[in-house]
Amino acid sequence: EADIYQTPRYLVIGTGKKITLECSQTMGHDKMYWYQQDPGMELHLIHYSYGVNSTEKGDLSSESTVSRIRTEHFPLTLESARPSHTSQYLCASKAGGNYQPQHFGDGTRLSIL
Amino acid sequence: AQSVSQHNHHVILSEAASLELGCNYSYGGTVNLFWYVQYPGQHLQLLLKYFSGDPLVKGIKGFEAEFIKSKFSFNLRKPSVQWSDTAEYFCAVMGYNKLIFGAGTRLAVHP
Repeated sequence: EADIYQTPRYLVIGTGKKITLECSQTMGHDKMYWYQQDPGMELHLIHYSYGVNSTEKGDLSSESTVSRIRTEHFPLTLESARPSHTSQYLCASKAGGNYQPQHFGDGTRLSIL
Repeated sequence: AQSVSQHNHHVILSEAASLELGCNYSYGGTVNLFWYVQYPGQHLQLLLKYFSGDPLVKGIKGFEAEFIKSKFSFNLRKPSVQWSDTAEYFCAVMGYNKLIFGAGTRLAVHP
């Protein structure tokens, strides 16, 4: 079973707060990803990283930012949360090679009041 | 543009019924295809994958999928579903360094 951890699992917070969603993996994977998923909708890639100090924006425009200072850690930050940020955020990692699958965390369900 | 289309958003079956979930993709490069499953309250898990060789791939829990290149399809099948197969199923294609997901199919299996 993949070892990728997201915290918190659930977060309900007021508008304007700064939020950091944590994601850590213990598999030594270079590639890591953040997806946003609304109910009944497909996953949308919002950020990805190929390794330490590498970050790229995904297909879906997001006001969030990410950092990759350590291989195992890929946090996502919202500087000032708004109700439109309410969603589920999924973190994933994978080893190299397109045929390697991505391993997913349990996700963070974020609700902004 | 790269995309994945899943034909059914919701499927309801009785136990022991056969299952086929449709998936069509649009991608011009070398194709690597995946089916993921998300059980209620759990994280996404890999069911099976195709990257080369035999177009009929077998996954966990009795699932299989067939890659038909001429139809750009990768349909998921199971001959006899169980109540425990109730979940959401996502088809995905590996694009240029990123995974492109379909919208998912919610499967409900009634005892």
